[in-house]
Amino acid sequence: NAGVTQTPKFQVLKTGQSMTLQCAQDMNHNSMYWYRQDPGMGLRLIYYSASEGTTDKGEVPNGYNVSRLNKREFSLRLESAAPSQTSVYFCASSEEGVQPQHFGDGTRLSIL
Amino acid sequence: DAKTTQPTSMDCAEGRAANLPCNHSTISGNEYVYWYRQIHSQGPQYIIHGLKNNETNEMASLIITEDRKSSTLILPHATLRDTAVYYCIVRVYNTNAGKSTFGDGTTLTVKP
Repeated sequence: NAGVTQTPKFQVLKTGQSMTLQCAQDMNHNSMYWYRQDPGMGLRLIYYSASEGTTDKGEVPNGYNVSRLNKREFSLRLESAAPSQTSVYFCASSEEGVQPQHFGDGTRLSIL
Repeated sequence: DAKTTQPTSMDCAEGRAANLPCNHSTISGNEYVYWYRQIHSQGPQYIIHGLKNNETNEMASLIITEDRKSSTLILPHATLRDTAVYYCIVRVYNTNAGKSTFGDGTTLTVKP
């Protein structure tokens, strides 16, 4: 049981390049989330998806787009990467209602 | 979701109980208190959650005050492996994914 799988684990981009971060979960969860974590800080919610076919903005959505491809997969896209988007990105999933979130191991993204 | 306040850092001696406080004075009746921890930049790990009753599992105990405005996570016999950042969040129960932002958390250092 892999849980939440994120790819890639590491990536270096140049300013202006685009990139899609992939996330897949095998727990049949309805809800999925994308967070970013800057050095020495807590996690901030970028976007979430309550269920397949729906997405909503979180605290820091600017500069990102998301796609809930199916129940398993939730991708995060940077259309034109900026150095301010250098961060560690975590994907998470949860069942509906009172359920804990299960996190992936993160994607470490550096933008030069 | 209600905002939470946690101390920035705490120390604990190995083998002693670690008591981590969290204030959530604006919590509403349908919000649950969740605790997670993050060990060395790995993805956060769910620990425990509760609504108004005290809860205990194999990892920790959660004590919620009667007015629900604060809570304490207790690690009964802290080990060096419990050194981590501990996050307290509150989350609404509903059929859709709630927006849950993780703050900066408490850095717990367990010392030999």
